[in-house]
Amino acid sequence: QQQVRQSPQSLTVWEGETAILNCSYENSAFDYFPWYQQFPGEGPALLIAIRSVSDKKEDGRFTIFFNKREKKLSLHITDSQPGDSATYFCAASTNTNKVVFGTGTRLQVLP
Amino acid sequence: GPKVLQIPSHQIIDMGQMVTLNCDPVSNHLYFYWYKQILGQQMEFLVNFYNGKVMEKSKLFKDQFSVERPDGSYFTLKIQPTALEDSAVYFCASSLHWGSAETLYFGSGTRLTVL
Repeated sequence: QQQVRQSPQSLTVWEGETAILNCSYENSAFDYFPWYQQFPGEGPALLIAIRSVSDKKEDGRFTIFFNKREKKLSLHITDSQPGDSATYFCAASTNTNKVVFGTGTRLQVLP
Repeated sequence: GPKVLQIPSHQIIDMGQMVTLNCDPVSNHLYFYWYKQILGQQMEFLVNFYNGKVMEKSKLFKDQFSVERPDGSYFTLKIQPTALEDSAVYFCASSLHWGSAETLYFGSGTRLTVL
């Protein structure tokens, strides 16, 4: 059973455009949603995260929009740069440290 | 930022052999994790570990798997015996505290190939 789903599987945007990565989940007990960025050959690294009590979290060019009622969230990357090309994982956790990862979105930003 | 080191980066072994994957977590971290990632697929939780004990494990953490961190040295994942389906990239992670909002720091992974 897939608890965290992501779409699209892959996304290509031009430099300067806004990339929108979508995520949905099933478990109402999830209360923390980190997004991890992973470059080829490296481990995932925390990019930005949001708690379920908030509906928006912004950090520079990265913004999470969260809809608790619909169990959906999205990561918006504004002014996309070629260096943003990576795989982005939406993740979720409850009051334990068992972080559940989504299937990932592979983002390519073309110059 | 904090670094988690994994040794080796690649490991090739024959099916049925034993393999030990090593992880050097962030120095002051207390909680340790292993995740498995099959090429092109999601990261899947295997196990978390604290104070010498497994706290939680998933169905992927088969009986052939074991973890330990003897005397504060490497945090290890041992697979004995290995099977073909164990081929994957294994990521180690560590965190300072326990809780849903705690940041996990991941290593670069060990790519295990079982022939």
